[in-house]
Amino acid sequence: GIQVEQSPPDLILQEGANSTLRCNFSDSVNNLQWFHQNPWGQLINLFYIPSGTKQNGRLSATTVATERYSLLYISSSQTTDSGVYFCAVYYGGSQGNLIFGKGTKLSVKP
Amino acid sequence: GAGVSQSPSNKVTEKGKDVELRCDPISGHTALYWYRQSLGQGLEFLIYFQGNSAPDKSGLPSDRFSAERTGGSVSTLTIQRTQQEDSAVYLCASSLVSENTEAFFGQGTRLTVV
Repeated sequence: GIQVEQSPPDLILQEGANSTLRCNFSDSVNNLQWFHQNPWGQLINLFYIPSGTKQNGRLSATTVATERYSLLYISSSQTTDSGVYFCAVYYGGSQGNLIFGKGTKLSVKP
Repeated sequence: GAGVSQSPSNKVTEKGKDVELRCDPISGHTALYWYRQSLGQGLEFLIYFQGNSAPDKSGLPSDRFSAERTGGSVSTLTIQRTQQEDSAVYLCASSLVSENTEAFFGQGTRLTVV
């Protein structure tokens, strides 16, 4: 089945710093989502991005489907950005359609 | 409803008991997913429904786990004879169709087996 790899697994930032999170996938996918899991466990939708670039405030994402990766950019990080960031891909295989990476755990220090 | 609703939010049960977890998807969403997340881990796929049918049951960890969906809406995940290793957060998501549409998650049910 498809493999979804996220890097780095852990990231510690000082408030105000910028960061880039990466998601690689091993096969062609139909679509891709980025989620933020806050410290209370809720999964928040960030981007639904099959290709191209989208921006929402301090966050932006780019997916290059032909090269099988997506990037999530966080600028001017805030302590409220802390949590785990997951990418998930839509894949038409037998594992079910929405497959998650293991996540990047981000800690933003004041 | 406005979002995916899961109940109960928390459940503590004794080892060996059966539990039922409920997921109420966003109105009109035909696809529904169940995942399990153990402490500090990623999301483990369990099962997904397209309408009332489950094309893919491969993620269910054992025959103690079952799920159904009725009327193309509410889904119930049942765990029989619970074991301590079943302790986790069980998350449900829904989307308009199974592919190419955005999925939205509920707040999860935290299951603790003592």
